[in-house]
Amino acid sequence: LAKTTQPISMDSYEGQEVNITCSHNNIATNDYITWYQQFPSQGPRFIIQGYKTKVTNEVASLFIPADRKSSTLSLPRVSLSDTAVYYCLVGVSNDYKLSFGAGTTVTVRA
Amino acid sequence: DVKVTQSSRYLVKRTGEKVFLECVQDMDHENMFWYRQDPGLGLRLIYFSYDVKMKEKGDIPEGYSVSREKKERFSLILESASTNQTSMYLCASRIRDSLKNIQYFGAGTRLSVL
Repeated sequence: LAKTTQPISMDSYEGQEVNITCSHNNIATNDYITWYQQFPSQGPRFIIQGYKTKVTNEVASLFIPADRKSSTLSLPRVSLSDTAVYYCLVGVSNDYKLSFGAGTTVTVRA
Repeated sequence: DVKVTQSSRYLVKRTGEKVFLECVQDMDHENMFWYRQDPGLGLRLIYFSYDVKMKEKGDIPEGYSVSREKKERFSLILESASTNQTSMYLCASRIRDSLKNIQYFGAGTRLSVL
């Protein structure tokens, strides 16, 4: 599994855009990039996944540059309920393991 | 939406007890997983199951066993609970051979062993 590096924590205010960058320098050709969100005392929840360029859904956007050595999760106009830990994972479809690192704790303040 | 249901949110057991944690998914997924999550250690894979009656050890299987008699249900068994098994336990499922390897998690069971 490719190793990922992301900031330990980020603070934001309601209504702002939050961008979390994840580094994955040794990403392999077949690897997808996946982000999960976890609230306290809950299981992780899939947010978004991409392979290259940009992916957008109703929750977030994922930006992946051409070299794919990093990716940025963008949360538009965050609210207090977006306070959570966000995990970046890199791997291929036949990886039965998911390697969750420490994640990024995002705290949204009023 | 995929739904993964864990039978208990909170559980308190005594050392030496046999503990059953149940997980049910409603999306006909072949693969199911059991993780534990501890502060500073992230999620660690205990066991997973490719399909009914099939199981594979994960990274930390010692002290645990599993049962998968039906496709929708995956049980984690602590044969003789110990205090170091106090943890948050998470069940997950996914479609087999999924190109995208997205796992869907339950809400978790917080187990305390006294």
